[in-house]
Amino acid sequence: DTGVSQDPRHKITKRGQNVTFRCDPISEHNRLYWYRQTLGQGPEFLTYFQNEAQLEKSRLLSDRFSAERPKGSFSTLEIQRTEQGDSAMYLCASSYGGSGGVEAFFGQGTRLTVV
Amino acid sequence: TQLLEQSPQFLSIQEGENLTVYCNSSSVFSSLQWYRQEPGEGPVLLVTVVTGGEVKKLKRLTFQFGDARKDSSLHITAAQPGDTGLYLCAWRGAGSYQLTFGKGTKLSVIP
Repeated sequence: DTGVSQDPRHKITKRGQNVTFRCDPISEHNRLYWYRQTLGQGPEFLTYFQNEAQLEKSRLLSDRFSAERPKGSFSTLEIQRTEQGDSAMYLCASSYGGSGGVEAFFGQGTRLTVV
Repeated sequence: TQLLEQSPQFLSIQEGENLTVYCNSSSVFSSLQWYRQEPGEGPVLLVTVVTGGEVKKLKRLTFQFGDARKDSSLHITAAQPGDTGLYLCAWRGAGSYQLTFGKGTKLSVIP
């Protein structure tokens, strides 16, 4: 297994366009997380899936953001009507296990630039 | 929301020097994690500390959890250019799987 994979690595889009990012977690990891990181900040939690169920959502996840994990494997994060403030690194992470399985492995991220 | 304060925000040192970075909160942590993030990459977990007073070593890195579990430190001995990166501490709340990160300490080790 090569770890958590994110695609694309970089995305430049015009304001108002929609973008979609993909995350492939480590196989057999049942938990998947999305975080957003802006310059000079640590990652901020967006949402969390256990298998295909979205169990936690941050208030940062506005109505323009939607995340899915339809078959409990890969996940997508869509941003509609992008704004310049959406420019950030979008990180995906996965983990496995019961209550103690919270060692999250992060992907390399998708860097979004909204112009 | 439990806030994590990391200090210093930036640190630039010469190769071979020792350094310590800190992670503090006014509240008690159930556990604390330290990550290192290189430019353009995702964070990589270094260690998890759980018990007050706990000390863990990872080669030249020494992690300490405060006795009251409100603070933690990371000490690097004989820093090398490969240690350059953003050092983040993170906390997971009871009953939640989301991690709350500090802003990090950006370390530059100059050859």
